[in-house]
Amino acid sequence: DGGITQSPKYLFRKEGQNVTLSCEQNLNHDAMYWYRQDPGQGLRLIYYSQIVNDFQKGDIAEGYSVSREKKESFPLTVTSAQKNPTAFYLCASSWVAGVEQYFGPGTRLTVT
Amino acid sequence: QQQVKQSPQSLIVQKGGIPIINCAYENTAFDYFPWYQQFPGKGPALLIAIRPDVSEKKEGRFTISFNKSAKQFSLHIMDSQPGDSATYFCAASPRGGADGLTFGKGTHLIIQP
Repeated sequence: DGGITQSPKYLFRKEGQNVTLSCEQNLNHDAMYWYRQDPGQGLRLIYYSQIVNDFQKGDIAEGYSVSREKKESFPLTVTSAQKNPTAFYLCASSWVAGVEQYFGPGTRLTVT
Repeated sequence: QQQVKQSPQSLIVQKGGIPIINCAYENTAFDYFPWYQQFPGKGPALLIAIRPDVSEKKEGRFTISFNKSAKQFSLHIMDSQPGDSATYFCAASPRGGADGLTFGKGTHLIIQP
């Protein structure tokens, strides 16, 4: 089965804890992205990576960190510095930048 | 942040009607305009996309109309069905699009039986 997987589907954390969201793709795509979705806000770009070992900040990178050590993996860490981390997080990938992006099923993070 | 403005925020249409969702953009460097469909609790799915060298693109019951001079594009759903009820997002990306897509805020569409 080709596609993008995100785990877990639901995640609960206490305030002050860092948490890492997983994103894996077997589509052989070079580019990968992390978006955050809040009700009524659409999707906002957190980080993106065009190639292994390289990544760039998106529009709302503060309080988040990423790594891209393997082509197929792009984990996102939500740090305790993120002031409002409760949201639906979506990972996407594309063959190269600027073409069709395909999304994973998302992870709903709740921080209390 | 270059915006993409989407309207309406919500839309209710009777089965068989033609819902129309509109988007407007400011950045003339935008070169790629996809539409995504999202069901509750799921990731968005690419529906149809257009580039500015054509004014219309049709795939099945879904049609994008593109007006380059007005910097507007719209999604039309022909013969709408209750299963089309979802949230629809327009998006845009510049040529090369290294920094991802800029999304509209979404339209919550309900097709009544």
